[in-house]
Amino acid sequence: GNSVTQMEGPVTLSEEAFLTINCTYTATGYPSLFWYVQYPGEGLQLLLKATKADDKGSNKGFEATYRKETTSFHLEKGSVQVSDSAVYFCARGGTYKYIFGTGTRLKVLA
Amino acid sequence: GAGVSQSPRYKVAKRGQDVALRCDPISGHVSLFWYQQALGQGPEFLTYFQNEAQLDKSGLPSDRFFAERPEGSVSTLKIQRTQQEDSAVYLCASSERTGGYTFGSGTRLTVV
Repeated sequence: GNSVTQMEGPVTLSEEAFLTINCTYTATGYPSLFWYVQYPGEGLQLLLKATKADDKGSNKGFEATYRKETTSFHLEKGSVQVSDSAVYFCARGGTYKYIFGTGTRLKVLA
Repeated sequence: GAGVSQSPRYKVAKRGQDVALRCDPISGHVSLFWYQQALGQGPEFLTYFQNEAQLDKSGLPSDRFFAERPEGSVSTLKIQRTQQEDSAVYLCASSERTGGYTFGSGTRLTVV
């Protein structure tokens, strides 16, 4: 079937630590892949995206590479900040409908 | 407008009450989507409009849920005879074509 699986949280890191949030997907074909971020009390904001295999999406120091071989789209950041504390959602696109993972809460401590 | 606007931000309804949630998409955006986000979960698709046409309503959980977009801009999601399991954040998104969603801040519905 079509689904998105991301690592369970919460993930707690110290400021300036390296972040990885794993995401794998199942789908027919090669869907677009997205990472969205949700700050407390707010809607989802697009963080980055990749539309084809081997594409790297990047924004605000975050990166994710579309890996067709492993059907993965892991989110990474080299040095997190307290302001990165939020819930991160991996999603795969379809013709028009998105499938979201369950979200990973990140807490960054000063 | 500059972004997708949803109202109200918060709604408390007594069980059995009808509610109406409004979404004002980005001007000129053809596609409009409604998603339901239960606590601690990712958003789940409810329905999709292209202009005024509702092309997919397969995600609506029951016939108590109804969505419309009569003039191809503002959309309303209506829930009749609310139940406790309807408590969730309802997110609206719009896009120029398909893909590249911009989400609103959502309406948090609590049914008591």
